[in-house]
Amino acid sequence: DAKTTQPTSMDCAEGRAANLPCNHSTISGNEYVYWYRQIHSQGPQYIIHGLKNNETNEMASLIITEDRKSSTLILPHATLRDTAVYYCILSTQFYFGTGTSLTVIP
Amino acid sequence: DGGITQSPKYLFRKEGQNVTLSCEQNLNHDAMYWYRQDPGQGLRLIYYSQIVNDFQKGDIAEGYSVSREKKESFPLTVTSAQKNPTAFYLCASSIATGVRNEQFFGPGTRLTVL
Repeated sequence: DAKTTQPTSMDCAEGRAANLPCNHSTISGNEYVYWYRQIHSQGPQYIIHGLKNNETNEMASLIITEDRKSSTLILPHATLRDTAVYYCILSTQFYFGTGTSLTVIP
Repeated sequence: DGGITQSPKYLFRKEGQNVTLSCEQNLNHDAMYWYRQDPGQGLRLIYYSQIVNDFQKGDIAEGYSVSREKKESFPLTVTSAQKNPTAFYLCASSIATGVRNEQFFGPGTRLTVL
C-alpha cells in the first residue's frame, strides 16, 4: 500500500521551476523521503532524499515541512528532458505508486 | 562502469513456457529487488533479497521464483503459473534494505507472452 500521495499529473513551462508536492502524513520518525523519476520505458533514476532538513543537489531541491507530513521536489529550471514520472516514496516502502507525470511545455 | 545490467531488453515467449530474466550488479550491493510495471501503473515489488542465499516475497510473488547464489546476481524466473506475465520487469539494488536504501535500477526487460 502506498504511504504517499501525489497529484496524477502536472505541467510546467520550460525554464520555470517545477514544484512537485507529496503528502506522507503517516511518516514515522526514522523514515526518509526519497524521490525518483522514470523516463518512458527506462528504469527509475534516484534524484534526492531527506529526513527533516531541506536538501539540494545538482538535480533538484527537496523541501520537507517541519511536521514532516509533506514535501516538495523542486526542479529549479525545468527543461524538456525533465518530462517524466516522478515518484515520492518512503525509505521503508517498496511500493512505487503511480507518481506524478510531469510534462514540461516548450 | 558500475551499474546494473538486465538482459535481454525485449523477450518473447509462448504461453506456458518458463522464462528467466537476468539481473547482474557490480556495485557490491547487498540488497537486490525485482519489480513489475504494467502500462500506466507504478512499480510493484515481486521479490527482494537482503543477502546471498536469502530472499523474501513481495506483494505479487505468485507465479515467480528467484535465486540469490551470488551477491552480484539475482535472476527472476517467470513460471507458467503466472497468469498474466506480459509486463515490464525492473531489477534494482541498494547497499541494504531498511531506513536508507537508495535504489539503483537496471534498464528493464520487456516480456511479451504470445
